[in-house]
Amino acid sequence: NAGVTQTPKFQVLKTGQSMTLQCAQDMNHEYMSWYRQDPGMGLRLIHYSVGAGITDQGEVPNGYNVSRSTTEDFPLRLLSAAPSQTSVYFCASSADGHNSPLHFGNGTRLTVT
Amino acid sequence: GIQVEQSPPDLILQEGANSTLRCNFSDSVNNLQWFHQNPWGQLINLFYIPSGTKQNGRLSATTVATERYSLLYISSSQTTDSGVYFCAVERGDSWGKLQFGAGTQVVVTP
Repeated sequence: NAGVTQTPKFQVLKTGQSMTLQCAQDMNHEYMSWYRQDPGMGLRLIHYSVGAGITDQGEVPNGYNVSRSTTEDFPLRLLSAAPSQTSVYFCASSADGHNSPLHFGNGTRLTVT
Repeated sequence: GIQVEQSPPDLILQEGANSTLRCNFSDSVNNLQWFHQNPWGQLINLFYIPSGTKQNGRLSATTVATERYSLLYISSSQTTDSGVYFCAVERGDSWGKLQFGAGTQVVVTP
C-alpha cells in the first residue's frame, strides 16, 4: 500500500493564480481531511470528508474548495491564491474519522508570491 | 472550541534518558491521538488512545479521560526520537474535527 499520496511536493504560485493540490489514498478509508501547518500555529483543519459526496468545513476553510467524487481522492482547490495561503498542506485519512488512527501524507509546501 | 495544551514546549534530552510529555484538554473527548513529526516533516501516528494505556516499543501513552489529560512516555531516548510531538483531540459533538495542540519540540543529543 502507498498509503496517502500527495502531489506536488512543492509549488510556487503568483497571487491570483489557481491550483489544485492532489490527495489520494489506497486504504479504502471513508474519512479524509486537509490541514495546513504554519510556524507557531500548529496544524489547523481546512476541510474534511466522511465519505464520497460528503464534505464539511473545518477551522480555516476560507479560500479553499474541496470535493469528494470517489472514496480514493480528495483534492484541495485554491481558486485565487493569496500570500496568506503560503503554508505546508497535509492530507490525511482514517477508516472512519472517529475511532481509528489518522494517517498523513508527506505534505505539499506551497509558496504564494 | 476545545483547548489543547501541551507541555513542555521544548525538551532537550541526552541519548538514553527517559521523558514524559503531557497533553491537557479543556473538555471531554472521545478521540485522542499522538503524532511524531520528524525533522523531514513527516507526520507519523504513534497512538490512537482515547482512554487507557498502550505501549509500542520504547514509547507508551496513557490517557485519563475523566481528568482530561494524556501522557506520552519516551524511554531510553534515541536521536531518531527528535522532532515535534503533537497531541490531537476530538470532542464528542465535533465528529471528524481533530484539533491539534501546539506540540512539544524534542531534541535528543548523542
